[in-house]
Amino acid sequence: QVQLVQSGGDMVQPGRSLRLSCVASGFTFSRYAMHWVRQAPGKGLEWVAVISYEGTIRYYEDSVKGRFIISRDNSKNTMYLQMNSLKGEDTAVYYCARGPGIAVADALDNWGQGTLVIVSS
Amino acid sequence: EIVMTQSPATLSVSPGERATLSCRASQSIDSNLAWYQQKPGQAPRLLIYAASTRATDIPARFSGTGSGTDFTLTISSLQSEDFVVYYCQHYNTLPPYTFGQGTKVEIK
Repeated sequence: QVQLVQSGGDMVQPGRSLRLSCVASGFTFSRYAMHWVRQAPGKGLEWVAVISYEGTIRYYEDSVKGRFIISRDNSKNTMYLQMNSLKGEDTAVYYCARGPGIAVADALDNWGQGTLVIVSS
Repeated sequence: EIVMTQSPATLSVSPGERATLSCRASQSIDSNLAWYQQKPGQAPRLLIYAASTRATDIPARFSGTGSGTDFTLTISSLQSEDFVVYYCQHYNTLPPYTFGQGTKVEIK
């Protein structure tokens, strides 16, 4: 079955960096677009970034553009979110999620368990 | 950026009754809309995509309608496990693929 297992969440100081990972199994990872979505404590869902199945197309939400980098290694069935210059407002549970196919624009049919990032001094 | 607005923020319904949740897009998104359910402490789960197609293993009591800017999620007969939070999301062509702010369905 489809599984997305996340890691990398931690507490970090403002201005520091952190890298999240999402390891996929149960499907052909290289054939699917992948997304990051976050949820601040007690708040709603916020779409963060998407990467195409081959990694050549990447889009970001405005508040993270220039600070976050989405990437993937299809040989390792793994997607990453490199988060730089972290701010307090980046504090959230971060979810990785899969689209149902190669299209970047699509619903998210499978989700990771989430990993908590806390940005605080 | 397309803004997604859900209403109401909280919906009070008795078990066994029908719940109707609304989602409005700030511009036309055709049928490029998904609905998700989120239980406390869990990741969201896809319920509906393409505005009206149920995702795999989703019970028939969940249904979606709409196109363009106005969408509705209907839960025909609320079960105890349905009293949680629901989000809509557009995925119309270019990002950001924004979510609505959510509707919490609570027991009346």
